[in-house]
Amino acid sequence: GAGVSQSPSNKVTEKGKDVELRCDPISGHTALYWYRQSLGQGLEFLIYFQGNSAPDKSGLPSDRFSAERTGGSVSTLTIQRTQQEDSAVYLCASSYLGTGSGRNEKLFFGSGTQLSVL
Amino acid sequence: DQQVKQNSPSLSVQEGRISILNCDYTNSMFDYFLWYKKYPAEGPTFLISISSIKDKNEDGRFTVFLNKSAKHLSLHIVPSQPGDSAVYFCAAMYSGGGADGLTFGKGTHLIIQP
Repeated sequence: GAGVSQSPSNKVTEKGKDVELRCDPISGHTALYWYRQSLGQGLEFLIYFQGNSAPDKSGLPSDRFSAERTGGSVSTLTIQRTQQEDSAVYLCASSYLGTGSGRNEKLFFGSGTQLSVL
Repeated sequence: DQQVKQNSPSLSVQEGRISILNCDYTNSMFDYFLWYKKYPAEGPTFLISISSIKDKNEDGRFTVFLNKSAKHLSLHIVPSQPGDSAVYFCAAMYSGGGADGLTFGKGTHLIIQP
């Protein structure tokens, strides 16, 4: 597709369950980011993938959060044993080279997954 | 510690008038600044950016001003149109590297009234 695609668009889950969120970046973009936006907050950086390099996981809030990027393309963000404070919009973004390259790259965002933990 | 601050959660402006959205930052290493616009149920989209070597960048109805000494930038929209109603995020980065790249503010919800 032409843009960053995320699925599902909405996810309602019970506390304690695991969830998987998917991101399909723009074709040819080597850099992929996950952010989340909690209610009334800004965009919080979670994790960054650049090409085949090891991801920067410095933004992950706990060890319940993990992410993979297979074949340098699609990424999956997994949250284990979800808690109510995990409720947020999870946004994926991609860029051609990535901000870690020192280039002023603008990010292209998907529409996000609204996660609600009951 | 919030490094990028947007102190106005919301702003209401009459159609046709000028909208001014403000953003302050604390990290003096930041040298590139961007504004993103977000409609409900959509991801943020890039609007306009400015490098620290400039103090102004203009694109149509949108102008971003940067005051490095005050660590302050602002986005001017003139004239404001109903389609400008959205949440505007200010973002900053250090172009010398750093994987987490962009640091975002909390956003300002702009409402354009007819």
